[in-house]
Amino acid sequence: EDKVVQSPLSLVVHEGDTVTLNCSYEVTNFRSLLWYKQEKKAPTFLFMLTSSGIEKKSGRLSSILDKKELFSILNITATQTGDSAIYLCAVTLDSWGKLQFGAGTQVVVTP
Amino acid sequence: DAGITQSPRHKVTETGTPVTLRCHQTENHRYMYWYRQDPGHGLRLIHYSYGVKDTDKGEVSDGYSVSRSKTEDFLLTLESATSSQTSVYFCAISRQGAGNEQFFGPGTRLTVL
Repeated sequence: EDKVVQSPLSLVVHEGDTVTLNCSYEVTNFRSLLWYKQEKKAPTFLFMLTSSGIEKKSGRLSSILDKKELFSILNITATQTGDSAIYLCAVTLDSWGKLQFGAGTQVVVTP
Repeated sequence: DAGITQSPRHKVTETGTPVTLRCHQTENHRYMYWYRQDPGHGLRLIHYSYGVKDTDKGEVSDGYSVSRSKTEDFLLTLESATSSQTSVYFCAISRQGAGNEQFFGPGTRLTVL
């Protein structure tokens, strides 16, 4: 059974802190790993990772994939209250684009 | 904005009634997906489509059917709604084909009483 596990399930940090979110996976066929941010609406795309060790960056967010150890991390530096959201990790399972999502990590950034 | 709309945005219905949710895209993408989102489960794939009249089941397809008679529309039908189908439903498209990032519509909040 394909499985994507995110940790922690939730965390509370202060503005300016650095946050590290984890996503581990056990799937039969791996094609890519994706990160999404979800505020009180639809998920919005952050990153897609296909190769190990290559960091993707967008502003204060960065992500990296380890295909040997089967996990990815998402880092958020200098957090702001606008970073408060659920962060979702998903793995593409096949050529049809089917995604297996983790349960998400709820991040709350306090002023 | 990925050019995806969903209708209705909110619906309250009673157990046993049929319900159809619509996903409409304006960008002529081949791949479309329906997910449901429930607390503690992330998003789970219900059905997907890889072209007109080409659909297949996802992880949680029981109690749901889909149709795609036009490229731009992907319909999700609950034949006889149950309280366990109370959820938020998201439609998604893949811009560059299967295996690439998916972009989501605004969602439909469905409550089955």
